[in-house]
Amino acid sequence: GAGVSQSPSNKVTEKGKDVELRCDPISGHTALYWYRQSLGQGLEFLIYFQGNSAPDKSGLPSDRFSAERTGGSVSTLTIQRTQQEDSAVYLCASSRQESYEQYFGPGTRLTVT
Amino acid sequence: GQSLEQPSEVTAVEGAIVQINCTYQTSGFYGLSWYQQHDGGAPTFLSYNALDGLEETGRFSSFLSRSDSYGYLLLQELQMKDSASYFCALAAGRRALTFGSGTRLQVQP
Repeated sequence: GAGVSQSPSNKVTEKGKDVELRCDPISGHTALYWYRQSLGQGLEFLIYFQGNSAPDKSGLPSDRFSAERTGGSVSTLTIQRTQQEDSAVYLCASSRQESYEQYFGPGTRLTVT
Repeated sequence: GQSLEQPSEVTAVEGAIVQINCTYQTSGFYGLSWYQQHDGGAPTFLSYNALDGLEETGRFSSFLSRSDSYGYLLLQELQMKDSASYFCALAAGRRALTFGSGTRLQVQP
């Protein structure tokens, strides 16, 4: 079956511009996560969606970051007024409701110039 | 808060056995996971330990001691394709994982 997909795979943007990153989770997975990974670093949790529950936004680094999940499936991560420190690989993952086994997408490499 | 420590780099030769250690600090604990990530690739799930002891999956095994806040990943019969970064990740207090900074494993011929 299809895995987690993300688009775009690469995004170069100018400082101050807004960007939208998209994630399509595995069909039937109710949980969806966003992480980011800077070069040579571990993954930093950003936000978590589970079914119709309120999302866990505790990892969002600033109010410039927001995310939504429509229809319990596709999710969009929006970064407003991008800064150079936002440059990283943004990874989306999904899992079945009661599982800690997360399936990751290939990521979006964001470069802010 | 939560934190994990793991070595930054490990080198081993093909066919050998290597152990990657992970110590953690947390209030509240559900389990410890391990993920593999090749350069430029996405992390892939290797194992999850919720209870003390050893879990074996083929050439890979993972161990957990909750009383010591310690776990390790054991890779046997190393192959060149095992060269990758390995992350331990904590499940504690929320569904999302807290990842360590990763151990880069280099397998030499």
